[in-house]
Order: sequence, then structure tokens, then C-alpha cells
Amino acid sequence: GAVVSQHPSRVICKSGTSVKIECRSLDFQATTMFWYRQFPKQSLMLMATSNEGSKATYEQGVEKDKFLINHASLTLSTLTVTSAHPEDSSFYICSATRTGEGEAFFGQGTRLTVV
Amino acid sequence: KNQVEQSPQSLIILEGKNCTLQCNYTVSPFSNLRWYKQDTGRGPVSLTIMTFSENTKSNGRYTATLDADTKQSSLHITASQLSDSASYICVVSGRTDSWGKFQFGAGTQVVVTP
Repeated sequence: GAVVSQHPSRVICKSGTSVKIECRSLDFQATTMFWYRQFPKQSLMLMATSNEGSKATYEQGVEKDKFLINHASLTLSTLTVTSAHPEDSSFYICSATRTGEGEAFFGQGTRLTVV
Repeated sequence: KNQVEQSPQSLIILEGKNCTLQCNYTVSPFSNLRWYKQDTGRGPVSLTIMTFSENTKSNGRYTATLDADTKQSSLHITASQLSDSASYICVVSGRTDSWGKFQFGAGTQVVVTP
């Protein structure tokens, strides 16, 4: 099956610093990738839709200047949490769909802890 | 209001026993429904995907059913194993949703005990 890889799997950073999370589709081209965050015992919440070569589309309530998304190629999207605060601590997950297919593939997630 | 509701929120079952998880949705018009398994600290992994015309689909010991008229789905786990301990998430895609955009249920946390 298709593989979506996220890196890093865990990261701890200090308040005020920025953290970059990478999402790669390893064996297929993903025109669109999605970024989610998940708090403990809650469902995944869509943050933004990342489109290759264009600006990301953010969901209501998600600050685009705080969560910077770059989809520079058909296999890579990055999420940068800028000026991180403890309340940004969460589990961040990306997903990608292979063009023309209904299946969605999720990355393994990134646990971000801001101290 | 969440358009995908799952029940129970959590359940504990003995190894070897069967269990059934429920998913009710209000997403309309409906495109497809998926069940995912999410281990703690990991991303979701697809178990089944069903479209409007499909009533049941199996993947090993996992069997999903869909009643598009009543907007209900179930996931049945047969002869549970310790490795089945995970969160099971029902995910629905509406026909008007953009490609890959889904509505997520909150999940059912399953714990299988020896």
C-alpha cells in the first residue's frame, strides 16, 4: 500500500521557537495533502488543505500566520508551527490521497510538546 | 454539531470475544464511509471503505456494514486479539466534500484484555 511518512515523530521545543514538520508521500504523487491536529481522546480536526504549488486553504479558526504550510512538490508538504506556545502541544497528522483514488493514507503523526 | 457520532465511547472486551462498534452520520449527500484503526501515538490505518451501494465489507476479522437509508454503520470485530486494542474511527465523506476531505467521528477506544 501507499506510504505517507511524517518527520519527526516526536519533538520538544521551547516556547517562542518554531518547529517544522514534514509529510512525504513515498511512492505516489499527492496533489493534495491535509493537516490535522488531535487532542487526547478527541477526533482528528482538519487544520488546512495543502495544495501543491498554491496557497493552503485553512479551516475556520486556524491561524494561517501561525501554522505555515508549504507544499513545494508533489511528494512533500511541510507544516511550520511558528512562535510555539504550550497550548500548541498536540498530535499533528498529515494525510494524502493518491490522484484518482478514493483511499486516503495517513502519516504516523508528530507529537509536539512545547515547554 | 458533529456529523459523525460513534458509540460506545469506549469498551473493554476479553480476548477471543466479539464486539460491535456503531457509527451514525448525518452527512448528506453521502459519498463513502471508512473505518480506520488508530493505535496510540500513531496515524490512522484504513480497515474498510464502503460506498452508497455497498452493504458489507470484510477485512480479515473486521466486518463493516452500512445502511445508507438509516445512515448507520457498524464495525464488527471477531475473535478479538490483544493487538486489536486501539481507537476505531468512523470517517464519512460527503459528495460535496473536496477530494480527500472527511468528517471524523470521535472514535471508540477498544481495550482487549487477556
